[in-house]
Amino acid sequence: DTGVSQDPRHKITKRGQNVTFRCDPISEHNRLYWYRQTLGQGPEFLTYFQNEAQLEKSRLLSDRFSAERPKGSFSTLEIQRTEQGDSAMYLCASSWTGDPNEKLFFGSGTQLSVL
Amino acid sequence: AQKVTQAQTEISVVEKEDVTLDCVYETRDTTYYLFWYKQPPSGELVFLIRRNSFDEQNEISGRYSWNFQKSTSSFNFTITASQVVDSAVYFCALSDPYGQNFVFGPGTRLSVLP
Repeated sequence: DTGVSQDPRHKITKRGQNVTFRCDPISEHNRLYWYRQTLGQGPEFLTYFQNEAQLEKSRLLSDRFSAERPKGSFSTLEIQRTEQGDSAMYLCASSWTGDPNEKLFFGSGTQLSVL
Repeated sequence: AQKVTQAQTEISVVEKEDVTLDCVYETRDTTYYLFWYKQPPSGELVFLIRRNSFDEQNEISGRYSWNFQKSTSSFNFTITASQVVDSAVYFCALSDPYGQNFVFGPGTRLSVLP
């Protein structure tokens, strides 16, 4: 078990480009979350999957954002037509419904810089 | 709507001092969960504790202790005899009864000076 992994660690892109991030959760975890964190702030919830079903989406998630978890394992988060305001750390977390503590395990994040 | 407030943006203490990090929450749910997470300089958030809203017993784990007071909607975290390795950003969080809708507070940056 190597924990939650995210790829890439850093992404620099020009405004208007599309970017895609990948998250591989802990293998037995059925829940997967995407959060966004800007400097000096706490993580802000973006979306949440239970298995392959996307159960919740934040209002922060504009129509330029889309997330998938096609086989209930890894997930991708795509941002289309990036804007400078999208610059942030994108965090993925996973959890298991059988965990009595319901704790989230976080990845190291993908730092996005939009120039 | 759920909300978590951590009024202390930054705290600095000298090693071996005790320090308390405050957390105040708002929720309309009668059942909810409260959490503390630590984010060290490496960046990866680490789970510290979860507390069920029905369980108001205070908890102690080594140098860490948590004081949950439902009457004041507070879930404060105390580090006793702080160490330099405790330096991190600490987040308080709240989730609904289904363990979903995690809402994090803005965090408190703790610096423990040698």
